[in-house]
This record gives sequence, C-alpha cells and structure tokens, in this order.
Amino acid sequence: GNSVTQMEGPVTLSEEAFLTINCTYTATGYPSLFWYVQYPGEGLQLLLKATKADDKGSNKGFEATYRKETTSFHLEKGSVQVSDSAVYFCALRASGSARQLTFGSGTQLTVLP
Amino acid sequence: IAGITQAPTSQILAAGRRMTLRCTQDMRHNAMYWYRQDLGLGLRLIHYSNTAGTTGKGEVPDGYSVSRANTDDFPLTLASAVPSQTSVYFCASSATGTGMVPGELFFGEGSRLTVL
Repeated sequence: GNSVTQMEGPVTLSEEAFLTINCTYTATGYPSLFWYVQYPGEGLQLLLKATKADDKGSNKGFEATYRKETTSFHLEKGSVQVSDSAVYFCALRASGSARQLTFGSGTQLTVLP
Repeated sequence: IAGITQAPTSQILAAGRRMTLRCTQDMRHNAMYWYRQDLGLGLRLIHYSNTAGTTGKGEVPDGYSVSRANTDDFPLTLASAVPSQTSVYFCASSATGTGMVPGELFFGEGSRLTVL
C-alpha cells in the first residue's frame, strides 16, 4: 500500500537558520505529493504541491522537489522565522481516481528568536 | 468566511456512550473526509465520501460510521465509545474542477474527544 515516512521531530532552530524536513514515500505509479502545515489550534492547510517528477513546489519561501529516483519530497527553507513554528505533514495522493491523501506522521518545528 | 465547521470543539465522554461529531461545509465540495490525528501517527483516514449518497472506508474505520445525506453535511458517529478513540478528529473536503488543486483538502479546526 501507499505510505509516507517523515523525519522524526521535534526540530528546534534559531531564527534565520536553514530548514530541511525529510520525506520519502512508497506508492505505485505516479502519485502527487504535498506538504501541509498545521499552526497551533488550527486545522491543516496546504503549503505546496508537486504533481510529477522533477516538479518543484514553492510557497512562502518553502520549497520541495519531487524526486522519483529517490522517492523523496524534502521540504526546505533558507531562513526560518518564528512564525514558521508549526507541525509539517508530508502527504501523497495516489495516481488514479482516489482522492484521499495518505499523510506522514508530522514534524513539529519550533523556531526560537 | 466560507469553510468547514466542526462541532463540538471539545468533548469528554464516558466509555460506552454514543457520540456524533458534526461537520458542515459551505463550499459545495463533492468529497468529504474524516481523519483522526494521534501523536506520532499523523492523520489516519477513518471514512470518506466522494459524493452525496456514497461513503467508503478508510484506514481505521472500525467503531465509526458516517452518512452523507446531502452535499454539505458529513457526521461521524461513535456508536459505543472506547478509550482508544480518544483523539483529535478533523473533517476535510475537496473538489475537482477549473481552478482547483487536485488533492487539495480543506480542513476544519478539529474536534478534541476524550473517552474515559
């Protein structure tokens, strides 16, 4: 079946540090890949996406590249801010007609001033 | 503001009791979902509905039931709650069509349920 494995947290960084959160997946065919973010007390919201190999998703300074050869979709940001403190989830949508997403376990990020 | 409304936001429940978590969306999305969020396990799909009148089982459906009588409402029922159902429950919706991101889910703010 489909699965998503995320780097375990929690991750604590100082403001302006470089961020990488690793994500690898297992799926048949060509899934679409997503990063969702959950701020404290809120539901998840879409951060970025990529739908085919070598696509780069980007938003709010975050980037992730769909690497089919390594089945990875690592999230990066060059300079984190305190406001980036949240839980980050990697997810996939299997190819075909299925609409539901399979999520990773989430990575808690805390950015200190 | 358009979106998904969940109720209640928080509930403490005795084991063996019946409980219904409510979910309403006003975006006219055709698909809706229920996930539970547990520490270290991320979000796991309980049930889903691709369109009004149809439902399907997700990864962890046991002990839960859903109905989809219309487009807007998707209640989740625990017939006889057990402590292992203590969790945060998220309702979500998605749509297809021009301008929509395939696979983008819109989430409610969650319902925190504690079963004692």
